[in-house]
Amino acid sequence: EVQLVESGGGLVQPGGSLRLSCAASEFTFSTYSMNWVRQAPGKGLEWVSYISSSSSGKYYADSVKGRFTISRDNAKNSLYLQMNSLRDEDTAVYYCAREKSYNIDYWGQGTLVTVSS
Amino acid sequence: EIVLTQSPATLSLSPGERVTLSCRASQSIGSYLAWYQQKPGQAPRLLIYDASNRATGIPARFSGSGSGTDFTLTISSLEPEDFAVYYCLQRSSWPRYTFGQGTKLEI
Repeated sequence: EVQLVESGGGLVQPGGSLRLSCAASEFTFSTYSMNWVRQAPGKGLEWVSYISSSSSGKYYADSVKGRFTISRDNAKNSLYLQMNSLRDEDTAVYYCAREKSYNIDYWGQGTLVTVSS
Repeated sequence: EIVLTQSPATLSLSPGERVTLSCRASQSIGSYLAWYQQKPGQAPRLLIYDASNRATGIPARFSGSGSGTDFTLTISSLEPEDFAVYYCLQRSSWPRYTFGQGTKLEI
């Protein structure tokens, strides 16, 4: 069974930084594109960022462009999200999600990021 | 940006009933629509992809249909474990996915 385990969430002040990680297992990580999707408390889902299997393609939602950076280390089966200049509205559970044939098929359990002073 | 509008926001039903959830796109998205189920405190689970294809392990009581701008998810006979929030997702503007706002199915 595909396993995606996020970590790195926590409480951070506005303007601060945080780096999220996602450890993947039980599938060939290096052959799949990956995404980050977030969900604010009690709200719906919002796509955040995409990275291709080789890291050659990276895309961001307008709401995070210029502040967040997605990356991956295929040797370590890991996905990352560097979040800088955090704002209150970035408070959410962040999910890493696998993409297969242009569909998001598996999700991790998420890690909570709280931006508050 | 392609906007997905789900209706209704909340549905109150009983086990055994048949239910149809709606998702409407602001412009044509072909068949590039997926449905997810999310239970409290859990990650979303893929139910249907490309409008009508059931994902691996999804029971046959779940079915999807539609193309263009209008899509439906049908659960033929509700089981107690089906009460959850359902989201639609479009990939026509891949990789800039957008989600609907969700429909809550409650007992």
